[in-house]
Amino acid sequence: GESVGLHLPTLSVQEGDNSIINCAYSNSASDYFIWYKQESGKGPQFIIDIRSNMDKRQGQRVTVLLNKTVKHLSLQIAATQPGDSAVYFCAENTGTASKLTFGTGTRLQVTL
Amino acid sequence: DAGVTQSPTHLIKTRGQQVTLRCSPKSGHDTVSWYQQALGQGPQFIFQYYEEEERQRGNFPDRFSGHQFPNYSSELNVNALLLGDSALYLCASSLGAGIQETQYFGPGTRLLVL
Repeated sequence: GESVGLHLPTLSVQEGDNSIINCAYSNSASDYFIWYKQESGKGPQFIIDIRSNMDKRQGQRVTVLLNKTVKHLSLQIAATQPGDSAVYFCAENTGTASKLTFGTGTRLQVTL
Repeated sequence: DAGVTQSPTHLIKTRGQQVTLRCSPKSGHDTVSWYQQALGQGPQFIFQYYEEEERQRGNFPDRFSGHQFPNYSSELNVNALLLGDSALYLCASSLGAGIQETQYFGPGTRLLVL
């Protein structure tokens, strides 16, 4: 069945450093991937998305990389700030369904 | 531009009771999806409503039902509550029910079943 998972449950980075959050997916039919940020007590906030016909997409301070060969997705955050501290989820859409399948999340802790 | 809103923010119920949660989609959106998020886990898809009909459903029992109104707002109903139904219930809205439509989430309703 389909699944989305994350390699590291907690990532600690120093303020100003770059962060890389990884995600593996198992459904080769997935063709749309999204990264969400969830702060404590809030709903998931859309960060960036990427479609399967792309390898890389950049936003403001964030970059998402997609490697379809190994079914791996990563989120890079440049110059990490204390406000980036949150749980990050990757999610996928499969080819025939608009529902999102989420992993368990990675907690990003930014130290001063 | 109004975002997704949900009510109530918190709710406490006892086993066997019934609960109704409400969601108003982001301005301009016509599709509402509901998710259940247990503590420490990612959201799990419950169902999606588009054009006032349930379009897709996840692996949730029939105790979970919903409705979408002509103004695109939606309700999630859960009957015969179990302790395991305690979770954060999230509503997400999007424009259209296409597979690559970005879903925007509300703040959620935290349900505690005692």
